[in-house]
Amino acid sequence: GAGVSQSPRYKVAKRGQDVALRCDPISGHVSLFWYQQALGQGPEFLTYFQNEAQLDKSGLPSDRFFAERPEGSVSTLKIQRTQQEDSAVYLCASSLAEWPQHFGDGTRLSIL
Amino acid sequence: RKEVEQDPGPFNVPEGATVAFNCTYSNSASQSFFWYRQDCRKEPKLLMSVYSSGNEDGRFTAQLNRASQYISLLIRDSKLSDSATYLCVVNGGTGRRALTFGSGTRLQVQP
Repeated sequence: GAGVSQSPRYKVAKRGQDVALRCDPISGHVSLFWYQQALGQGPEFLTYFQNEAQLDKSGLPSDRFFAERPEGSVSTLKIQRTQQEDSAVYLCASSLAEWPQHFGDGTRLSIL
Repeated sequence: RKEVEQDPGPFNVPEGATVAFNCTYSNSASQSFFWYRQDCRKEPKLLMSVYSSGNEDGRFTAQLNRASQYISLLIRDSKLSDSATYLCVVNGGTGRRALTFGSGTRLQVQP
């Protein structure tokens, strides 16, 4: 069956550019999560949606990071004025109930 | 201090060996505990949930000690295919859906 789908798989941007990362959760999953994973580290929580409501955005590192899920399905994570420290893998996960969270392959973002 | 601490390894073991990973967590309000497996350049995948009574899934056994805030994973009869990074994961406490991950312990099973 279809899992969590993320696009693009790889993204290279120049410092200062804006980027948008897309996540298609598993159909019917009401909960959607974004995580950031730096090289050699575990994923770190960014934000959580239940349907279209963003219930927790405590992990967003700055106001340059913005996420939305307007129709309660597809979500977009936007990073404005990218900086080199934003280089990481951005993982999206979805879940039907509270657990388990199913992860997508991630978007590898490189800021030059 | 990180919320979830793991020995980064790597653990290099021969096929057939038994290997144990340990993890400690700092948030006493955490309610749910998991081990995830992550292969190189792949997404994390749930290996097993961890319960206070301990639980087993084939060659894998997980234990939780709430008093010590300690979680363990035991892998028996290691296979080459077990080579991966094992992530200790806890939730953020009552009502929080966010997961907190350790940095992972890398396992390399040698032929």
